[in-house]
Amino acid sequence: ELKVEQNPLFLSMQEEKNYTIYCNYSTTSDRLYWYRQDPGKSLESLFVLLSNGAVKQEGRLMASLDTKARLSTLHITAAVHDLSATYFCAVVLGGSQGNLIFGKGTKLSVKP
Amino acid sequence: NAGVMQNPRHLVRRRGQEARLRCSPMKGHSHVYWYRQLPEEGLKFMVYLQKENIIDESGMPKERFSAEFPKEGPSILRIQQVVRGDSAAYFCASSPNYEKLFFGSGTQLSVL
Repeated sequence: ELKVEQNPLFLSMQEEKNYTIYCNYSTTSDRLYWYRQDPGKSLESLFVLLSNGAVKQEGRLMASLDTKARLSTLHITAAVHDLSATYFCAVVLGGSQGNLIFGKGTKLSVKP
Repeated sequence: NAGVMQNPRHLVRRRGQEARLRCSPMKGHSHVYWYRQLPEEGLKFMVYLQKENIIDESGMPKERFSAEFPKEGPSILRIQQVVRGDSAAYFCASSPNYEKLFFGSGTQLSVL
């Protein structure tokens, strides 16, 4: 059974600080996704990571994938209040199309 | 290009009633997915459909739940004889090629 674990589950940061969210998964997978969700809203796609060593950056967020370690990281640089949200990683179940297994999410709060 | 449209946004039902949730995928997308989210949890896969076909329903409860994606019109997730445990946010996603999923704003179902 594919399991996806994120940590931390809650993260309170100060503005301008850096931090990393970790996503571990238990079996091999083709793709890993990072999503952002604001309260009461839908999920916004941030990154799709397809191969070992993949690194993608958008603004203050950078995601990387190590398929050998079954680990992805979401690094936040110089956090700002607008980044406050819940961040989910999700891994596609092998042999399926679109059956994503989600982590429980990391609730990020950036305080001035 | 409008995003994935779900309606209603909020749905209140009494125990034993039927709930119908609708999802119109993005234009040009032929893959539709339904996910369920409980409070403070990640999303759980329910079903994956293409036009007129159910491709993967491994996450759907065997009883009371059904889904369709007809040739014309939106995809429908139908829950018969709802119980309190069905209360959740139901998200639909669509994709042109199952690699990247675009999520709708969700339907919050409350069962009284």
